[in-house]
Amino acid sequence: DAEITQSPRHKITETGRQVTLACHQTWNHNNMFWYRQDLGHGLRLIHYSYGVQDTNKGEVSDGYSVSRSNTEDLPLTLESAASSQTSVYFCASRSGFGTEAFFGQGTRLTVV
Amino acid sequence: AQSVAQPEDQVNVAEGNPLTVKCTYSVSGNPYLFWYVQYPNRGLQFLLKYITGDNLVKGSYGFEAEFNKSQTSFHLKKPSALVSDSALYFCAVRDIDGGNNRLAFGKGNQVVVIP
Repeated sequence: DAEITQSPRHKITETGRQVTLACHQTWNHNNMFWYRQDLGHGLRLIHYSYGVQDTNKGEVSDGYSVSRSNTEDLPLTLESAASSQTSVYFCASRSGFGTEAFFGQGTRLTVV
Repeated sequence: AQSVAQPEDQVNVAEGNPLTVKCTYSVSGNPYLFWYVQYPNRGLQFLLKYITGDNLVKGSYGFEAEFNKSQTSFHLKKPSALVSDSALYFCAVRDIDGGNNRLAFGKGNQVVVIP
């Protein structure tokens, strides 16, 4: 069955370190998204991509970057981790207009 | 920007009673609306969507939602709640400002079903 997987599931890192969270989907979806989930804020969009070599900033993109070199993967990089980036991160993908999104299990990131 | 609002932080309901989770939307153009559920330590799971057609949409796990254009609402409902329905529920809308394939989510509603 097609799926979307995130790794790692849990990560503890130190302030200032570069961290990369992986997202891999086998749905062959063009559209991929990264969200962060925080209490009181719900889900906020960090970055998204509509296809290979396409990346776009979401509403909370500062301090994050993504790259899309193939259809299956959209890694999220924290350039210099900050305590404010402690959160649960979700990757999602969808096929297109009007379709539902499929979500990964999430990565719980703690920056100490 | 397109947006949804979920006015209640938490909804408590007794098992067997009807469950309603409220969502109102603000869009330009036709709304594409979605409901998702999140169980503890899991990702979001799709429940149902409204694109066009009948105002009453049926989805997974016995849930349904009613699209009301005049009230700009898309409330999620279940006739008889189960303890296993205790979870976090998110309403979402297609965000055309960022291209047609973005979804904007509400803040979520925690549903607690009391045995």
